[in-house]
Amino acid sequence: KNEVEQSPQNLTAQEGEFITINCSYSVGISALHWLQQHPGGGIVSLFMLSSGKKKHGRLIATINIQEKHSSLHITASHPRDSAVYICAVRVEVGGATNKLIFGTGTLLAVQP
Amino acid sequence: DGGITQSPKYLFRKEGQNVTLSCEQNLNHDAMYWYRQDPGQGLRLIYYSQIVNDFQKGDIAEGYSVSREKKESFPLTVTSAQKNPTAFYLCASSPGILGVAEAFFGQGTRLTVV
Repeated sequence: KNEVEQSPQNLTAQEGEFITINCSYSVGISALHWLQQHPGGGIVSLFMLSSGKKKHGRLIATINIQEKHSSLHITASHPRDSAVYICAVRVEVGGATNKLIFGTGTLLAVQP
Repeated sequence: DGGITQSPKYLFRKEGQNVTLSCEQNLNHDAMYWYRQDPGQGLRLIYYSQIVNDFQKGDIAEGYSVSREKKESFPLTVTSAQKNPTAFYLCASSPGILGVAEAFFGQGTRLTVV
């Protein structure tokens, strides 16, 4: 079982819909990242969370540390939001070293 | 503008040949990382470096080698010992210890070994 699970794996939405992507993890973490990967392959960091909620434009990310769960919401979705959304958690591996464990991603397609 | 540059975007090599992927950053970041991405799997850490002239193995280092002679550069060599080298490779950097600050990713190199 993966330490970081995302759902759904694939999501198709109509333009304007409210979208939710979920991330659950089974390890102790110090932070959680949401990343966006476009078809060309490059990755952009959307959010880094250690508690609560963050908002940037139409994107909202929340995290519940006790439940080991995070959600990424997209309001008023648009075709340009079509991408793979990746959840990654930061874990300490000893000393002052951290590493990221990545989920397999959620492929979002927003149709006009 | 500051950022991370990976080159080339696409790379084809014959089986048995070593190949080196380039990663350069002008963000003055101390830490740099190489990840491998395969279909249906999350990114997996190959090697990372937190300071010049020092690097550590990640989860899947076998068949790969790196160097960190300059702060700006962290090239990855895929050797002939790597059993399944065809994959998408991503380079990343961060100001300090990964995750304390957000990581910046390159555009990736898709390597195909024929």
